[in-house]
Amino acid sequence: DIQMTQSPSSLSASVGDRVTITCRASQSISNYLNWYQQKPGKVPKLLMYTASSLQSGVPSRFSGSGSGTDFTLTISSLQAEDFATYYCQQSYSTPYSFGQGTKLEIK
Amino acid sequence: QITLKESGPTLVKPTQTLTLTCTFSGFSLSTSGVGVGWIRQPPGKALEWLALIYWDGDKRYSPSLKSRLTITKDTSKNQVVLTMTNMDPVDTATYYCARSPRWLQPDYDYWGQGTLVTVSS
Repeated sequence: DIQMTQSPSSLSASVGDRVTITCRASQSISNYLNWYQQKPGKVPKLLMYTASSLQSGVPSRFSGSGSGTDFTLTISSLQAEDFATYYCQQSYSTPYSFGQGTKLEIK
Repeated sequence: QITLKESGPTLVKPTQTLTLTCTFSGFSLSTSGVGVGWIRQPPGKALEWLALIYWDGDKRYSPSLKSRLTITKDTSKNQVVLTMTNMDPVDTATYYCARSPRWLQPDYDYWGQGTLVTVSS
């Protein structure tokens, strides 16, 4: 199984900050990496797919990069509605595992 | 408009079999490349991928749960059914079904609201 490790596990930031979340795969997954946002009590929302493709309707302040084993999700200028938990997911091989999550909190 | 909705019991006893149904609309599971998957989330914990079925009947399972899981589809009814045998309290979680629009690189663009299943005697 491919293990997905996110860092940090939690992060405090302020509105307007630039934030980067990292996801590392235990083996190469090419660019088969997706990012989700989940707010408390809500359903996960797809943000990025195949590492750098922005899902329709997602603001352009979100961007993704990486290939192989190391990936990043960047929010260029945090907005109040961005405070949530973020998960990466590999879609390279079964089981299509998720990371443990990164909780983004207001400083 | 694409929607998915999970249905099934909210409470099951240990050792029982859980059957969850995902009823969807706005897309067809006979469309090439499309799949429907199941993901669960224990309270306060991370997402865990369980299973996926594609438009052509191809099925994928989490290896650690494969012996307990069965996923099927009824294209005419727009439904996907997940069964999980031998339920245990550690299986207590919110179970989501979700659509995968891209063949063999499953990301999930539309999700059901989720259904909380509690395993307790």
